[in-house]
Amino acid sequence: KAGVTQTPRYLIKTRGQQVTLSCSPISGHRSVSWYQQTPGQGLQFLFEYFSETQRNKGNFPGRFSGRQFSNSRSEMNVSTLELGDSALYLCASSLERGPETQYFGPGTRLLVL
Amino acid sequence: AQSVAQPEDQVNVAEGNPLTVKCTYSVSGNPYLFWYVQYPNRGLQFLLKYITGDNLVKGSYGFEAEFNKSQTSFHLKKPSALVSDSALYFCAVRDPYSGGYQKVTFGTGTKLQVIP
Repeated sequence: KAGVTQTPRYLIKTRGQQVTLSCSPISGHRSVSWYQQTPGQGLQFLFEYFSETQRNKGNFPGRFSGRQFSNSRSEMNVSTLELGDSALYLCASSLERGPETQYFGPGTRLLVL
Repeated sequence: AQSVAQPEDQVNVAEGNPLTVKCTYSVSGNPYLFWYVQYPNRGLQFLLKYITGDNLVKGSYGFEAEFNKSQTSFHLKKPSALVSDSALYFCAVRDPYSGGYQKVTFGTGTKLQVIP
């Protein structure tokens, strides 16, 4: 079974631009979560989607948004990029919610100049 | 609110020696606990989890972890370290009693360096 895939793998943007990242979960997985990883802050939870609905949200500004489609694929969008948004963005999928194991994709490394 | 702490930023161990990576947690009820490993420029890989039952959990690559409710700890262990175990290790917790399905909270990570 194919793992979690994320596209693109690398992105370079400039301040003020917006960016959309994509995540395809493992087939059959219905829950998708997004995380931001930086050297200083570690892994920070962004949001969780299940059945096309946002179920949980982390402490990020409204510039960060996401959505999930009927096939469970998910996208996250960051508008008006700031230098501090440079990070590795990780997507994780799980079969259901609760105690299910999350399986992570390789991440999208975003560099904001 | 749930939280998890990994008190050591880095752990150094000689190859062949036992290793321990520490994790303590705080939740309102009985936790779901996880360990993940991250190799450079890769996503996180699942190692093991504790949901309920036996306090000693065995996982991938010879790792195991012991759930200790009284000490609120979930330390990761391996009897004999390999150089290939060198990576960044994350402990994570999910509180099943907080609003139904609370988010997963990750620790800050512990860098394990196995010295040949």
